[in-house]
This record gives sequence, structure tokens and C-alpha cells, in this order.
Amino acid sequence: DIQLTQSPSSLSASVGDRVTMTCRASRDISTSLAWYQQKPGKAPKVLLSDAFTLQRGVPSRFIGGRSGTDYTLTIFRLQPDDSATYYCQQYYLTPPVTFGGGTTVEI
Amino acid sequence: EQLVESGGGLVQPGGSLRLSCAVSGFTASFFYIDWVRQSPGKGLEWVGRTADNSNHFHTDYAAPVKDRFIISRDESQNSVFLQMNSLTAEDTAVYYCTRSLKAFDTWGQGTQVTVSS
Repeated sequence: DIQLTQSPSSLSASVGDRVTMTCRASRDISTSLAWYQQKPGKAPKVLLSDAFTLQRGVPSRFIGGRSGTDYTLTIFRLQPDDSATYYCQQYYLTPPVTFGGGTTVEI
Repeated sequence: EQLVESGGGLVQPGGSLRLSCAVSGFTASFFYIDWVRQSPGKGLEWVGRTADNSNHFHTDYAAPVKDRFIISRDESQNSVFLQMNSLTAEDTAVYYCTRSLKAFDTWGQGTQVTVSS
């Protein structure tokens, strides 16, 4: 199974800041990675797929990156509404589908 | 396009429960439909999936639920079901159904399953 390790597990930032979180895959997943945002009591919402492709309606402040097996989600100009937990998920080699452990962003 | 889960509730250890995922706005048969759960205060965990009709609705399951959970479909109802048997406290979670287009692009609101005596 492909393991995804997210870091940091949590971070605190201010409105207007830029934050970056990382998702490290245990092997090459060839950009078959999605990022989700989840707020308390709500279902996750997909932000990006194929590591870089912004989903419809998602602000362009969310940017996906990649370096080898490390994938990043950067949020520019942080807004209060960005307070949430962010998960990565791989769909390169399934089953099983696997998720990272999440990064909680506190603003 | 919407998915709506139902059927959650309180069940005793060793019991069974059947969750439903009602699909509207698209034809479920043309898509993989997955189940994902989230235990209290924990992250997301994939439970299993049913493939689309071109892949003969093949099912796959995560190791912790294999041989206990069964995913099925009713095309006439445009619905997907999750039959959960031999439930334990570790199955306590919010269960989501989700449409898979590589990423999970559409999610239901979730239904709570609590396994407790």
C-alpha cells in the first residue's frame, strides 16, 4: 500500500500569510494526488486533483506543487475561511485508496 | 448532483447495519462510488468502492472491513448500499459516500454510525 505522510500536523498563521503543507508519498505516485479541505462537521471538499489542477470554484490562492515524492499545498493570502483540516489522497495505485493524516490550519 | 446517506444509528457490538446512498443529478452506474469513514477526532479512512458498469460494478474493500462489509447497487433506485456486519466499536464513525472521478469530487453529508452496548 502507498503511505502518505502529511506535515506539519497543525500550524497557526495570520490573515494574509502564506502557508505551505507537505504530503510525502512512500513511492512515486506520478501526480495522482488530490487535496481536500474539511471543516468541522462537514464533508471534505476537493481543492485540487492531479496534484496541480484547481477544481471549479476553488480560489486561485490554492496552489499545488511537487518535488519528487513530496507534494505541497500552498495557500496564499490566508483568509479566515481557510481555517480547516487539509488532507491529501492518492489514486495512483488502488485499492486501497489512501489518505494522509491531515494538516490543521488555525488562523 | 447530490449524494445523500441514510441508515446510520446506534447498534450493539456484533450487530449489523445497512447504509444507503441515494444519488441524484447523475446516473450512479456510470461512476465509481466509494465509501469513506471518519472516526471521532480522526482522519479520513477509505472503506471500499463499487466500480462503474463498464467494470461490472466490481467491489474492493479496505483490509479492516473485508469479509464484514458488502457494497451493492440498485440501478433502478440510482442508489448504492453498504451492508455492515459483525460491527465493533472500531467501526464507530461518520460514513460518507462519494463519487470518484480520480479524486472524490462529490460527497454526501455523512451518516453517523455508533457501535456501543
